[in-house]
Amino acid sequence: GENVEQHPSTLSVQEGDSAVIKCTYSDSASNYFPWYKQELGKRPQLIIDIRSNVGEKKDQRIAVTLNKTAKHFSLHITETQPEDSAVYFCAASTQGGNEKLTFGTGTRLTIIP
Amino acid sequence: DGGITQSPKYLFRKEGQNVTLSCEQNLNHDAMYWYRQDPGQGLRLIYYSQIVNDFQKGDIAEGYSVSREKKESFPLTVTSAQKNPTAFYLCASSSGSGGADTQYFGPGTRLTVL
Repeated sequence: GENVEQHPSTLSVQEGDSAVIKCTYSDSASNYFPWYKQELGKRPQLIIDIRSNVGEKKDQRIAVTLNKTAKHFSLHITETQPEDSAVYFCAASTQGGNEKLTFGTGTRLTIIP
Repeated sequence: DGGITQSPKYLFRKEGQNVTLSCEQNLNHDAMYWYRQDPGQGLRLIYYSQIVNDFQKGDIAEGYSVSREKKESFPLTVTSAQKNPTAFYLCASSSGSGGADTQYFGPGTRLTVL
């Protein structure tokens, strides 16, 4: 089955700086890669996703890049703000399969004012 | 994700008791999922269902059971066979259109075994 590894487990950045979180996956058939943000005690919420026919996707200060050859994808947050502090999870699944998402173990991002 | 509800928000159980966690969605989604979240860990899949009256085991199904008698509902029972049930339980749903679709999460149930 799919295995997703996520790094780093914790990340602290100064407000206004950029943050990068990286994930690798094992199943070359995976073709859907969402990122979720979870604030303390709350539900995970989708912030951005990418499919394997696209190499990069941006949404305002958030971007995701995908390297299918190397089987890794990354989340980039620019101009970080205090409200970006949360736990971020990457995930992978196979379109046309059983839609089962495999999640990474999460990155706790802290923005230092 | 506002269309998925879970109840109760907090649940306390004595050892040896079975408890059932509720998950309801009004999004007309075909697929529903149950995850377990432990501190410092990711989400681990317990069970999932892609259609009414059918469900599959996830990665950590032992000690849990589910049913899918209605499209809107996917209750999870934590049985006494689950040795370490204290955790945060999240339900999710997706349209299940055959592609890889966004999963929307409910607010979660925090289960504590006393």
